[in-house]
Amino acid sequence: DAGVTQSPTHLIKTRGQHVTLRCSPISGHKSVSWYQQVLGQGPQFIFQYYEKEERGRGNFPDRFSARQFPNYSSELNVNALLLGDSALYLCASNLVRGLTDTQYFGPGTRLTVL
Amino acid sequence: QKEVEQDPGPLSVPEGAIVSLNCTYSNSAFQYFMWYRQYSRKGPELLMYTYSSGNKEDGRFTAQVDKSSKYISLFIRDSQPSDSATYLCAMSASGSSNTGKLIFGQGTTLQVKP
Repeated sequence: DAGVTQSPTHLIKTRGQHVTLRCSPISGHKSVSWYQQVLGQGPQFIFQYYEKEERGRGNFPDRFSARQFPNYSSELNVNALLLGDSALYLCASNLVRGLTDTQYFGPGTRLTVL
Repeated sequence: QKEVEQDPGPLSVPEGAIVSLNCTYSNSAFQYFMWYRQYSRKGPELLMYTYSSGNKEDGRFTAQVDKSSKYISLFIRDSQPSDSATYLCAMSASGSSNTGKLIFGQGTTLQVKP
């Protein structure tokens, strides 16, 4: 079975630009979560989507947005990029069971903002 | 104060040693506890998943949760150079509003020397 896939692998942008990151979850998983991991830190929760609806949002500005498509793939969009947005962006495919879930991470997209 | 505290290390041990990795947390609502392994520039890989207090063993890995002390541990027996990586603890609370949201520690960098 294919694991979680993310694209692109690496991305270089300049301040003020917009970026779109993509994620395809594990087949059969209907939920994805997005995380930002700054170098030397643990991942920080940005969003969770389940069945195309937002179920959770972390403490990130409105410049960050996401959506989930009918095939359960997802996009993370970041507008007006800042230098501080440089990080590894991780997508997790969530196997939801009742009120909890198990998260499996993709390889991430490394974003550099110059 | 961070919700989850983890010593970043680095921790250096000889091959074959028993490794002990730990996290403390402050939120008594956390009920699900995970350990992830992350190799350099890769996504986190789920190692262990534990619900509530107690021990769980999987091969060379043992996870312990002590909710009364708000303390979790991961033990690695007969450590190998291939175990060299960053180990992230993660936890979540129950309930639909918390599904998909993991709170991570900073990660501990482990080096196992041949």
